[in-house]
Formats: sequence, C-alpha cells, structure tokens
Amino acid sequence: DAKTTQPNSMESNEEEPVHLPCNHSTISGTDYIHWYRQLPSQGPEYVIHGLTSNVNNRMASLAIAEDRKSSTLILHRATLRDAAVYYCILRVPVSGGYNKLIFGAGTRLAVHP
Amino acid sequence: EPEVTQTPSHQVTQMGQEVILRCVPISNHLYFYWYRQILGQKVEFLVSFYNNEISEKSEIFDDQFSVERPDGSNFTLKIRSTKLEDSAMYFCASSVGPSVAFFGPGTRLTVL
Repeated sequence: DAKTTQPNSMESNEEEPVHLPCNHSTISGTDYIHWYRQLPSQGPEYVIHGLTSNVNNRMASLAIAEDRKSSTLILHRATLRDAAVYYCILRVPVSGGYNKLIFGAGTRLAVHP
Repeated sequence: EPEVTQTPSHQVTQMGQEVILRCVPISNHLYFYWYRQILGQKVEFLVSFYNNEISEKSEIFDDQFSVERPDGSNFTLKIRSTKLEDSAMYFCASSVGPSVAFFGPGTRLTVL
C-alpha cells in the first residue's frame, strides 16, 4: 500500500495559520492525496483531496508539490476545534471503483489559546 | 447535511457472544465500508461492500465477521463469536463512488 510520512505532532496558536506537511515519495500518477482528521472520540472526517493542482475548500487548502512527492494541508486560521489527528492518505485506484483508505499514525495537532 | 449514523454508540458483550453493529449510510451512497480502531492504534480497513457483495476484505475480516445490507437503508456488521481482541471502535463509512468516504461516529465495542 502507498505510504505517507507525517510528523507525529505539531502545535499551533489559535487564529494562526497551520501548515501540516506530508511526504509521499512513492506516489504514482493515479494516486489521489486525501486528508482526513479525527477529533477526539469521533470518527474520521473528510477534509480535502487533490490529484495535481492545489485545492481550496471551506475547511482548508491543499498545496501539492510539482513533483507530487509531498503535499501540505493548510489551515488558514486555527481554532481550538481544529485540535485533532490529521491523516494524509494516498487513495490508490482499485478495479472495483470503491474507496479504500489506509490510515497511518497521522499528525496530532494541538492548538493553544 | 446528510450524515452516516451508527447504533448503538456503545455495546458491551461477553466473550463468545454474537454482536450486530448497525449503520445507516448516506441515502444516495452506493459503497459501504467498515473500519475499526483499537484504542490508541491506527484506523484499520475491514471491508468494502457494493451491489450486495463484498468488494474487498482485509486479513482482519475472517470467518467470524459478516456484513449485510438487510434493507434499503441499513448496513450491518456481525461478529459471530466475539473475542477480547475484538474490543475496538467500529466505524461505518459510505461513499457515492471512489472519491470521498464519509464516516459515522462509531460504535465502541467492549468484550468482557
């Protein structure tokens, strides 16, 4: 399964931007980069995904390196509610067309008031 | 906003007993999944289900596990004879296609 590398933990102050890095040097051309997060005692929550171009949505931005070997999830203004474990996942296409996510350990983000 | 729901939120059972965990996926979704997370560990894929068939299952999903879509709205995970090591959070997820999966809040299974 395609592998990603993330820092174990990061810290941020409230209302500051947060850049969460992810390395995926073995990514292949058809692998999508997905980000999910898991708040304490909750199920994983979709954040954003992309293939080659940078992406923005109401939750975050995803910056993808030109060679696609790394990406960065950007939270523009961290809030206390953003404290969670953030997972960078490569979604590998499968013949059945379904979505299989292989979770790593993720980055635990702490947000300080 | 539509969401995946799961019942019960917490299930306590004795070792060797059968349990059924229930999920209501988002209504127009066609693909359904179960994942589990043992306390303090990673979220692990168990099984994917489409068109009333298992698309893929992991090594964890042995003969003790089964899934079913008994009607047009529910999706269930059955563990026939629970073991202590089955204690975990079980998450149901659904997706329209191969893109984004939406997860439920989970059922905490405790096997005594």
